[in-house]
Amino acid sequence: KQEVTQIPAALSVPEGENLVLNCSFTDSAIYNLQWFRQDPGKGLTSLLLIQSSQREQTSGRLNASLDKSSGRSTLYIAASQPGDSATYLCAVRDRGSTLGRLYFGRGTQLTVWP
Amino acid sequence: GAGVSQSPSNKVTEKGKDVELRCDPISGHTALYWYRQSLGQGLEFLIYFQGNSAPDKSGLPSDRFSAERTGGSVSTLTIQRTQQEDSAVYLCASSLQYYGYTFGSGTRLTVV
Repeated sequence: KQEVTQIPAALSVPEGENLVLNCSFTDSAIYNLQWFRQDPGKGLTSLLLIQSSQREQTSGRLNASLDKSSGRSTLYIAASQPGDSATYLCAVRDRGSTLGRLYFGRGTQLTVWP
Repeated sequence: GAGVSQSPSNKVTEKGKDVELRCDPISGHTALYWYRQSLGQGLEFLIYFQGNSAPDKSGLPSDRFSAERTGGSVSTLTIQRTQQEDSAVYLCASSLQYYGYTFGSGTRLTVV
């Protein structure tokens, strides 16, 4: 069964720092990996999607990498801002299950203070 | 539509009543998921529909929970005889087969 782990569980940093959030998964047979952001009391907003054949994706100050063979992904946030404060979730779409089920980590709660 | 639409956005119900939660996925999306998120907890998988395949119901917590997807589009999650532990945000997501997911804003269910 696919298991997704995110480290750290929580992170508090001053504005302007560059950050790395980590995600690991146990089964490398995946279709893709997706990073989401969740604000308190809200739904999930997709940030970046990396297909299994890709190594990284970039959007603005965000860069996500994927090393499928080692079961790892990192989300890099450059020049963090207070508006980046949210919970960041990693999810993999599993190739092993019949329907390609999505598995989530428990998230990293990020606080960026001014 | 442009996004995944869920209704109602908020629902307060009395313990023991039945509730129906609705999800309108993005037009043409073949895959549809239901998750729930209790206060301060992670996402709990409930059920997954993919095209015409039999749904993956392995996450439904009890036989009080059921879901259907009509015509490969709209989905309804039904909770019978609601209990206080059913209080949570219920999230729906859809995708094209094997591509990224788009989530709705969720339905906040409160059982009193």
